[in-house]
Amino acid sequence: EVKLVESGGGLVQPGRSLRLSCAASGFTFDDYAMHWVRQAPGKGLEWVSGVSWNSGSIAYADSVKGRFTISRDNAKNSLYLQMNSLRAEDTALYYCAKGYSSSSLDDAFDVWGQGTMVTVSS
Amino acid sequence: QSVLTQPPSASGTPGQRVTISCSGSSSNIGSSYVCWYQQLPGTAPKLLIYRNNQRPSGVPDRFSGSKSGTSASLAISGLRSEDEADYYCAAWDDSLSGWVFGGGTKLTVV
Repeated sequence: EVKLVESGGGLVQPGRSLRLSCAASGFTFDDYAMHWVRQAPGKGLEWVSGVSWNSGSIAYADSVKGRFTISRDNAKNSLYLQMNSLRAEDTALYYCAKGYSSSSLDDAFDVWGQGTMVTVSS
Repeated sequence: QSVLTQPPSASGTPGQRVTISCSGSSSNIGSSYVCWYQQLPGTAPKLLIYRNNQRPSGVPDRFSGSKSGTSASLAISGLRSEDEADYYCAAWDDSLSGWVFGGGTKLTVV
């Protein structure tokens, strides 16, 4: 069974940092691009960042550029999102998603995790 | 405000055919594939349509996608109560070098 399980969310104060993880199983992790997508409470979907199979291509939404860093460890079948200088508007459910293809970041997300909640509040 | 524009709501009766529109620009829909996601209440999104009109394995052929110029649409035929969900369109934006989503359409089966 193809599965993505996110972890690392929680309550954090504005300006602090948090690192999210996504554990992948059931497929050859290093064959595919991976992404983070978030959804604020009661709101729509917002793409956050994506990384190609070999980390050769990485992209970020303007809203997180310079604050968030995506990375992957193919040996551990894991995806990460380092989030620094967190703001109240970063409060959301963060989903890990598998890309449909390997090198291209512009292909659809065909598998999603259940998400991990990040709340930024003092 | 979302880069891609969808109607906030849509409705239909069981058995009916409904369509949901998605409008963008030359930098996203006009130059990239469009995909559609279904999000049932309290669950993670699920890929319904990729590369404009392709269905992943397991998605019923009641769901179909199309694209023309800078607009796309999702059609659902033979509407069922279990189709009640939020539907999102998405496309890669060449100018932003990232993915953009529509604001979502809440489909009600009355």
